[in-house]
Amino acid sequence: QVQLVQSGAEVKTPGASVKVSCKASGYTFTDHYIHWVRQAPGQGLEWVGWINPNSGGTNYAQTFQGWVTMTRDTSISTASMELSRLRSDDTAVYYCARSIRDHYYMDVWGKGTTVTVSS
Amino acid sequence: SYELTQPPSVSVSPGQTASITCSGEKLGDNFASWYQQKPGQSPVLVIYQDNKRPSGIPERFSGSNSGNTATLTISGTQTMDEADYYCQAWDSSNGIFGGGTKLTVL
Repeated sequence: QVQLVQSGAEVKTPGASVKVSCKASGYTFTDHYIHWVRQAPGQGLEWVGWINPNSGGTNYAQTFQGWVTMTRDTSISTASMELSRLRSDDTAVYYCARSIRDHYYMDVWGKGTTVTVSS
Repeated sequence: SYELTQPPSVSVSPGQTASITCSGEKLGDNFASWYQQKPGQSPVLVIYQDNKRPSGIPERFSGSNSGNTATLTISGTQTMDEADYYCQAWDSSNGIFGGGTKLTVL
């Protein structure tokens, strides 16, 4: 079945970087965009951006431009998101999700990766 | 910046109809999606393109979108429908989520 399997929880200190991965299975990886969405503790959903696994093209939310980088490795059907210069308010669950087109609904979601930023 | 506004909470009795609204300027000119999230779980798509249901989503879930308001309607609400619900739309190239609505079934 279609699945997005995310990497495990991370604990980082302020100023560090974190890279979260999302491995797709059950469908053709390059046929769907991968979005990243985050959720701070007790808060709502916040869209971070998307990557087109076919072309490698990206689109980041303005809030995250300059400190998020999304990449993909088609040989292992995996998308990744790296956040740099982490702050305590980056503590959140980061979800990956797929959509058939860029600005479209997200029909399959990963289980999320908890990133904790603490000194 | 574009915003989507939802009521923080909605309460409904089992078997009754629950309506959750999502307001944004000219929202009806764009497609709206709705996601259900239960505690400790990932979001699940329940409505896409305003009023379409993904496979596996019960018929009691329906949606509409016109003018400045999109609405998620749950007919014959069940206790299992208790969750947070988020609307979502696109503003140019940015994905926007509403703040979420906690649906309580009691």
